[in-house]
Amino acid sequence: QVQLQESGPGLVKPSETLSLTCSVSGASIRSHYWSWIRQSPGKGLEWIGYIYHSGSSNYNPSLKSRVIISVDTSKNQFFLKVNSVTAADTALYYCAREDSESYYFDNWGQGTLVTVSS
Amino acid sequence: QSALTQPASVSGSPGQSITISCTGTQSTLGNYNLVSWYQHHPGAVPRVLIYEGSRRPSGVSSRFSGSTSGLTASLTISGLQAEDEADYYCCSYAGSSTLVFGGGTKLTVL
Repeated sequence: QVQLQESGPGLVKPSETLSLTCSVSGASIRSHYWSWIRQSPGKGLEWIGYIYHSGSSNYNPSLKSRVIISVDTSKNQFFLKVNSVTAADTALYYCAREDSESYYFDNWGQGTLVTVSS
Repeated sequence: QSALTQPASVSGSPGQSITISCTGTQSTLGNYNLVSWYQHHPGAVPRVLIYEGSRRPSGVSSRFSGSTSGLTASLTISGLQAEDEADYYCCSYAGSSTLVFGGGTKLTVL
């Protein structure tokens, strides 16, 4: 059974960097794409980007300038960094496994709430 | 990135069928049949119901079905049940290995 678990600080100050880790168990990170998705309070889902075990990545054009997704295959983990955060980055952040051929998310983490506030 | 447009809300009575639409553009639904649908109960994890427009993952009830026509994808829920009350999102491949979600539709079971 594939399980994903997000971890990281729940509170980040404006202008600083948001950093999250997704730990994957029950599956090798060497297959599929691995994505980050967020949901701001009262709003819908927003795809942030994905990474492949090779390090190849792609991002939502609206966030591309501030986002880096990376991977550590030895730890079966992948990571999200969002730079220069503002209150608009306050959201529930999910990590998810993405089918690399059909482009859908078949396994999700529970999500972690990140609040941007001084 | 192109947007996908969904109605903000739909409603139906138990036993009825409802359909949620998802309207895209040529760069999303027009070029690719790679639409997925997700059910999201508040406080829970989103769950995939449909992928590739009409395919159901194992374990998803046959009450959920998907279709695509032109620039519009649709999710139909038949035999509506109280536990179907949730938010529903469509998601489409948008080219260049990017994805875009619709704004979401709140389903109320009357």
